[in-house]
Amino acid sequence: DIQMTQSPSSVSASVGDRVTITCRASQGLSSWLAWYQQEPGKAPKLLIYAASTLQSGVPSRFIGSGSATDFTLTISSLQPEDFATYYCQQANGFPTFGGGTKVEIK
Amino acid sequence: QVQLVQSGAEMKKPGASVRVSCKASGYNFTAYQMHWVRQAPGLGLEWLGWVNPNNGGTTYAPHFRGRVTMTRDTSISTAYMELTRLTTDDTAVYYCARDLRSGTYYFDSWGPGTLVTVSS
Repeated sequence: DIQMTQSPSSVSASVGDRVTITCRASQGLSSWLAWYQQEPGKAPKLLIYAASTLQSGVPSRFIGSGSATDFTLTISSLQPEDFATYYCQQANGFPTFGGGTKVEIK
Repeated sequence: QVQLVQSGAEMKKPGASVRVSCKASGYNFTAYQMHWVRQAPGLGLEWLGWVNPNNGGTTYAPHFRGRVTMTRDTSISTAYMELTRLTTDDTAVYYCARDLRSGTYYFDSWGPGTLVTVSS
């Protein structure tokens, strides 16, 4: 299995802050990576796929970058509705997910 | 709009089996693979496998092979996931999730989840 390591596991931030979450793969993925947002009690929501392609309807403040083994999700200006848990997921073979990053209110 | 509606919560004893359904609407059911992903309480996400609604073909995660069966009924646009020989470690919310495009393994629409509780 390809292991996905996310960091940090949690981050405290304020509305308007820039937040960066990183994801490292145990082997090269090219650009086969997605990012999801999950609110408590809800299903995950696809934000970014192919490392940097914004899913339809997702605000442009969500920015994905990276390739091979190192990837980043940046929220350029945190909004109240962005406080949630974020997961990366590799799609280069059988999918595996990172452990999640909880974005909390400072 | 795409909608996935799942069956209700289940309570099972260790050793039993469970079947979860996922009824799709708002799109051509046979055109997109359907995946199953689970999430144990307070933990991360784990992929179980997928079913191709067009031909019934399946691919399962190695960890679940021999215990999971995914099927579909195209007449009612419904996918099913059956998990056998349940243990307490199988307690989780089980989601169905549609593939963004055939074979991409990106999940663009999710069901609300079905809580399966395994307890003696």
